Amino acid sequence: VQLVQSGGGLVKSGGSLRLSCAASDFTFSDYYMAWIRQAPGKGLEWLSYISSDSRYTKYVDSVRGRFTISRDNARATMYLEINSVRAEDTAVYYCARLASYGSGSYADSWGQGTLVTVSS
Amino acid sequence: EIVLTQSPATLSLSPGERATLSCRASQSVSSYLAWFQQKPGQAPRLLIYGASNRAAAVPARFSGSGSATDFTLTISGLEPEDFAIYYCQQRSDWPYTFGQGTKLEIK
Repeated sequence: VQLVQSGGGLVKSGGSLRLSCAASDFTFSDYYMAWIRQAPGKGLEWLSYISSDSRYTKYVDSVRGRFTISRDNARATMYLEINSVRAEDTAVYYCARLASYGSGSYADSWGQGTLVTVSS
Repeated sequence: EIVLTQSPATLSLSPGERATLSCRASQSVSSYLAWFQQKPGQAPRLLIYGASNRAAAVPARFSGSGSATDFTLTISGLEPEDFAIYYCQQRSDWPYTFGQGTKLEIK
């Protein structure tokens, strides 16, 4: 299982950017996927997830309306569109695969993370 | 939102000792709880899912227990590579949430 992230970097407050997560070595279209972030020196925050067929998405309140999760199964890639960025969006963003077990689905594989820094 | 409270914040132990980490939920999460290990500069790694099931390739010294609101991660016989930050996470109710973490450091 490989999840390779790209995008991120320095963005001005109020700006936009798109993060990508390219999957390989597994059947991407079979899995739900998620975005999780970690502010510098802080804990983990689950942001969003998307179903295998893109029919279902969920967002945490702090990003709903500003962030959009999407995926392209033909390209085996997931995206996170970030709009109206704020200082508090500065974080390392991780993509993760959600594997189904009998007791629910869990983030069993993670990307390497990509840093988003919001400047004023 | 379900709040997960981990204790202690920091645990100082020596290699070979037994580590016991706690995670308490503000309401029942049944067994929908996972434990992750994170080392500096790395992504988290899934250790335990469903409160007590070891993920693939996780050594047998890691074990999870508990249900409803009280959970424990036990590491029996600490190895040098086990010193890291550990997070619990619930997937019982959206938004899924993590605890604030327990830092396991070498004494």
